[in-house]
Amino acid sequence: GAGVSQSPSNKVTEKGKDVELRCDPISGHTALYWYRQSLGQGLEFLIYFQGNSAPDKSGLPSDRFSAERTGGSVSTLTIQRTQQEDSAVYLCASSLALGEGEQFFGPGTRLTVL
Amino acid sequence: GQNIDQPTEMTATEGAIVQINCTYQTSGFNGLFWYQQHAGEAPTFLSYNVLDGLEEKGRFSSFLSRSKGYSYLLLKELQMKDSASYLCASRLSNDYKLSFGAGTTVTVRA
Repeated sequence: GAGVSQSPSNKVTEKGKDVELRCDPISGHTALYWYRQSLGQGLEFLIYFQGNSAPDKSGLPSDRFSAERTGGSVSTLTIQRTQQEDSAVYLCASSLALGEGEQFFGPGTRLTVL
Repeated sequence: GQNIDQPTEMTATEGAIVQINCTYQTSGFNGLFWYQQHAGEAPTFLSYNVLDGLEEKGRFSSFLSRSKGYSYLLLKELQMKDSASYLCASRLSNDYKLSFGAGTTVTVRA
């Protein structure tokens, strides 16, 4: 596609429920990144993929967070048993390859946990 | 983390110049990025510096000093549409993620 797309744009859920966030990177970009942005704070790195592989999962805040990427394209970020502190904007970005060029960001998913 | 430090807010007048400073840890440094983010929108890439010096791109310029762990983004001939948050981010040589500062909110007044 023309840019990185994410869905849903907004998600409101109840504490304890699971949510799944989707990212569709720019066509041909092999590297994909997930960040989250809490109100008044900088972007916090969560995880990146090169192809389908995620060599660095150290940024995931807890074991309730997981991510996968299949076919080297679409990625999903899953948050299990959501907590109120998970409320944030979850941003996905892609680049041609790891460490090459700039990262292009999607519009984000605003997650609100009640 | 990379301890990216940048001012929280800056205000300037339309047509003026504003300089946003950013400091970072130098150990393992391998590139400095500036992004612009309007409220409720995705960050958009502005500039990338890996060597010392000034990179100019239209009204925006970015400077880097690797030895000092210092960068600045210079916005010239400010326009109202430049009101946004400006994010400084660094990348390490043995890593691929970007470490972001909290962002500088620039308000341009008429």
